[in-house]
Amino acid sequence: AAGVIQSPRHLIKEKRETATLKCYPIPRHDTVYWYQQGPGQDPQFLISFYEKMQSDKGSIPDRFSAQQFSDYHSELNMSSLELGDSALYFCASSTTADSVEYFGPGTRLTVT
Amino acid sequence: AQSVTQLDSHVSVSEGTPVLLRCNYSSSYSPSLFWYVQHPNKGLQLLLKYTSAATLVKGINGFEAEFKKSETSFHLTKPSAHMSDAAEYFCVVSSMDTGRRALTFGSGTRLQVQP
Repeated sequence: AAGVIQSPRHLIKEKRETATLKCYPIPRHDTVYWYQQGPGQDPQFLISFYEKMQSDKGSIPDRFSAQQFSDYHSELNMSSLELGDSALYFCASSTTADSVEYFGPGTRLTVT
Repeated sequence: AQSVTQLDSHVSVSEGTPVLLRCNYSSSYSPSLFWYVQHPNKGLQLLLKYTSAATLVKGINGFEAEFKKSETSFHLTKPSAHMSDAAEYFCVVSSMDTGRRALTFGSGTRLQVQP
């Protein structure tokens, strides 16, 4: 079965640079979620989209923005990167008919 | 508001012995509860879910969990641990608080399996 696809899987950036993470949800899933997992931490919810509209917002910094496109893929844009942004970024998708969120493999961002 | 408390940050068992990972939740609305597993440097894999059907939920790899409303618990168990079970386990609650679905993770329990 198709799963959530994230790209890139690994990304190394320098401080103050920008990064774009991409997420391709499971086909026919209408909701996308972004999470940030710092080293040794549990995942923290950043933001979600339902039918291309922002549906919920968590602890997402103002330097970050995200959107969901007409094909339902989503991008997380991160600007003015800081060392503390180094983390594993997960995307998850779901349908309104099912409360389960299916997670992608994550993108490991390292800021140097 | 909702919250999840995983009572043990680390659990160590011997291969072939039972596993018990404890989780208590708090939710002002009828919750859905999940257990996810994360192997080192890997993504999150769904083990099992409770969504107001049977209180005893069976998942993958021999894991199961029992929803106990009176105790607000959702402990994860497995009769016999395998070396491949060594990983981080997250108890997760989801509810429609404020009309929006929110997913809250516990702090995780690291399971070690000794040979």
